[in-house]
Amino acid sequence: EIVMTQSPVTLSVSPGERATLSCRASQSVSTNLAWYRQKAGQAPRLLIYGAVTRATGVPARFSGGGSGTEFTLTISSLQSEDFAVYYCQHYNNWPPYTFGQGTKLEIK
Amino acid sequence: EVQVEESGGGLVQPGGSLRLSCSASGLTFSNYAFHWVRQAPGKGLEFVSAITSPGISTYYADSVKGRFTISRDNSRNTLYLQMSSLRAEDTAVYYCVKDIGGPFPSVLDHWGQGNLVTVSS
Repeated sequence: EIVMTQSPVTLSVSPGERATLSCRASQSVSTNLAWYRQKAGQAPRLLIYGAVTRATGVPARFSGGGSGTEFTLTISSLQSEDFAVYYCQHYNNWPPYTFGQGTKLEIK
Repeated sequence: EVQVEESGGGLVQPGGSLRLSCSASGLTFSNYAFHWVRQAPGKGLEFVSAITSPGISTYYADSVKGRFTISRDNSRNTLYLQMSSLRAEDTAVYYCVKDIGGPFPSVLDHWGQGNLVTVSS
């Protein structure tokens, strides 16, 4: 089973600033990597898949990068709705696909 | 607009059974794979099961294999998760999720609102 590790666990950033979240895979997942945002009390929402492709309707302030074992999610200018928990997920050579433990993005 | 909605959750005793259902609208249901993902209270996301669009292939997490069965009725646009021999550690919000599309289940595209299953005596 591939283990996904996200860092940091908690990230404090001011609204309007840039945030960069990281995700590391225990072995290569190529670009078979997705990112999700989960607001408090809500279901997750797909943001990025294929490591770099924004899902339909996702604002351009979200960008994904990386391949192999190292990935990033960058939010260029944080809006109020972006303060949430973010999960990465690999879908390479599964079952099972696995998620990272999450990064909580909080207001500084 | 694609909408996904789960039903059938609730309180069940350890060792008991429960069936979750999931209906989807705004799409050609039979064209897409579907997933069940769960989230224990205050915890992260965990893959439970997935099924291909024609329902020929199914996949399970080791933690539920042999106890849970995923199925679908494409004529009713409905996905199911039959859960048996339930344990306290199965307590979670269960999400029904539509796949983004393609030959193999992969990306979790549209999520239902979630349905709480509580296993307790």
